[in-house]
Amino acid sequence: EADIYQTPRYLVIGTGKKITLECSQTMGHDKMYWYQQDPGMELHLIHYSYGVNSTEKGDLSSESTVSRIRTEHFPLTLESARPSHTSQYLCASSDPTGTGNTIYFGEGSWLTVV
Amino acid sequence: GNSVTQMEGPVTLSEEAFLTINCTYTATGYPSLFWYVQYPGEGLQLLLKATKADDKGSNKGFEATYRKETTSFHLEKGSVQVSDSAVYFCALRGVSGNTPLVFGKGTRLSVIA
Repeated sequence: EADIYQTPRYLVIGTGKKITLECSQTMGHDKMYWYQQDPGMELHLIHYSYGVNSTEKGDLSSESTVSRIRTEHFPLTLESARPSHTSQYLCASSDPTGTGNTIYFGEGSWLTVV
Repeated sequence: GNSVTQMEGPVTLSEEAFLTINCTYTATGYPSLFWYVQYPGEGLQLLLKATKADDKGSNKGFEATYRKETTSFHLEKGSVQVSDSAVYFCALRGVSGNTPLVFGKGTRLSVIA
């Protein structure tokens, strides 16, 4: 059972609002990821981090930003939300040592921008 | 670069039918291979994995064998249940271990009673 938590699970916000999606894991994993999942199910990597103070952009360009000040915490922020940001956002973490490089996912945050 | 191709859905089966979801990959060396499952309204859960050629991953009646010669990792289950209805993702992790997972596009499975 993976210990990775996302909040909020569901959120509806207005255009132009700032929103931060929280992600925390209690497994001490160095690597964390944010994926965006479109309605057609496909997953797109938007950000990842290999440790504290390390952040990288993923394959899909995103207007969001991330930070990694503590190992267990990897929040994603949208400074000015738009309807095109409506999607499900999945946070994940992994530790390559002794786990076969398995990635564990949170339950996701469903964001709707109106 | 690394990539994963899985069969497009949706797949609709009757209960107790045999399931195969095809997955092939492109990668150098011997990547780790995974199947993840996403039930409605939830995040992804690891279903099974294999880290070297000829390994068979298995869980909850599902199986997949890492075939290096055909670069495949097809998911199978002998008798599906309604509770297996979900989206299934095949994924790959490169040999360096320092790269994020690469996912296929997902296959939606619906099992009807």
